[in-house]
Amino acid sequence: GQQVMQIPQYQHVQEGEDFTTYCNSSTTLSNIQWYKQRPGGHPVFLIQLVKSGEVKKQKRLTFQFGEAKKNSSLHITATQTTDVGTYFCAGPYNNNDMRFGAGTRLTVKP
Amino acid sequence: GAGVSQSPRYKVAKRGQDVALRCDPISGHVSLFWYQQALGQGPEFLTYFQNEAQLDKSGLPSDRFFAERPEGSVSTLKIQRTQQEDSAVYLCASSLEVAGGQETQYFGPGTRLLVL
Repeated sequence: GQQVMQIPQYQHVQEGEDFTTYCNSSTTLSNIQWYKQRPGGHPVFLIQLVKSGEVKKQKRLTFQFGEAKKNSSLHITATQTTDVGTYFCAGPYNNNDMRFGAGTRLTVKP
Repeated sequence: GAGVSQSPRYKVAKRGQDVALRCDPISGHVSLFWYQQALGQGPEFLTYFQNEAQLDKSGLPSDRFFAERPEGSVSTLKIQRTQQEDSAVYLCASSLEVAGGQETQYFGPGTRLLVL
């Protein structure tokens, strides 16, 4: 079973509101990756975090890696309809085995 | 450039039928992964190839599942005697370097398998 937990499972926001999804691992991770999957699409890589406490920004998206390297978050400021999709975090276990969280499905009401 | 491609995009099989799913990774990519994604869930790891070598098959759910990558490029995931619980989207991903968990994975569009 998956060892990466994500919350919330669903999030529905009004356009312009902020959105945050949280990811927690049962073990310390060497790195964490975030992917976005549009409805009917496939996961697309967004970013990778490697260092403890690392923060990276991509326009309206802010990604954080926890100090203990066991949790991470993705925050979207002022959501737009183009942000709709499911956001997954993923971390490596046993070298080859990338474990994905169940994802947070974001819907945005215009 | 071309991304990861998969075929067929959709497959309907009768219970007990064998199926073969194909993945064409990005040219030159060393690592190739297969995942199974059930509805509303994240991708679940099935197996990993480094070139032609299958280094990890710990995620394959049963001995009905078999994967190969004989020449280190195209890979085939075969499911024998399909069961209804095999219905899912099967995703293939490739990455440039040897897997150590730090390489970006590029996903294909997936094959949606429905077993009736």
